[in-house]
Amino acid sequence: GAGVSQSPSNKVTEKGKDVELRCDPISGHTALYWYRQSLGQGLEFLIYFQGNSAPDKSGLPSDRFSAERTGGSVSTLTIQRTQQEDSAVYLCASSPGGAFYGYTFGSGTRLTVV
Amino acid sequence: DQQVKQNSPSLSVQEGRISILNCDYTNSMFDYFLWYKKYPAEGPTFLISISSIKDKNEDGRFTVFLNKSAKHLSLHIVPSQPGDSAVYFCAARGNQFYFGTGTSLTVIP
Repeated sequence: GAGVSQSPSNKVTEKGKDVELRCDPISGHTALYWYRQSLGQGLEFLIYFQGNSAPDKSGLPSDRFSAERTGGSVSTLTIQRTQQEDSAVYLCASSPGGAFYGYTFGSGTRLTVV
Repeated sequence: DQQVKQNSPSLSVQEGRISILNCDYTNSMFDYFLWYKKYPAEGPTFLISISSIKDKNEDGRFTVFLNKSAKHLSLHIVPSQPGDSAVYFCAARGNQFYFGTGTSLTVIP
């Protein structure tokens, strides 16, 4: 597609439920990143995929968070047993080749845990 | 540990005046810097960049200055317009891009 697409744009879930957030990167972009922005906070790095390499998971805040990227394209971020502190905007970005280029961001998924 | 810092969470400027947004970083190995602009309910969009081999890059109303010895960069917007009201993030490249916490700019008509 022309840009990075994320779905859903908004998600309200009950505490303790699992959620899946989806990211469709720009076609041909080998690098994919997940960030989150909590209220009043900056962009917090979560995870980075580059081609077929093992992902950099160093930013995942707990083992309730996981992500996968199938076929080098679409990525899914899964949050298990959601907590209220997980409420944030989750942003996906892609780039043609890792940190050599700037990122193109999607519009994000606003997650609200009630 | 925050490697890129934007110490001013917000800034208000009168329309037509200059807006100066500041960013500090800790790692002298960072070699490329970007500014992103973010409107509510949208993802950040690329605004302007600068390589570490330069100290200034200008694009229309936007100029980015880099002071490597001070590990400091700034974004100047002149003249500021109400449509510039947004959150501005600086980012620095190491093995990935590290983002600051953002500065919310309000341009008052």
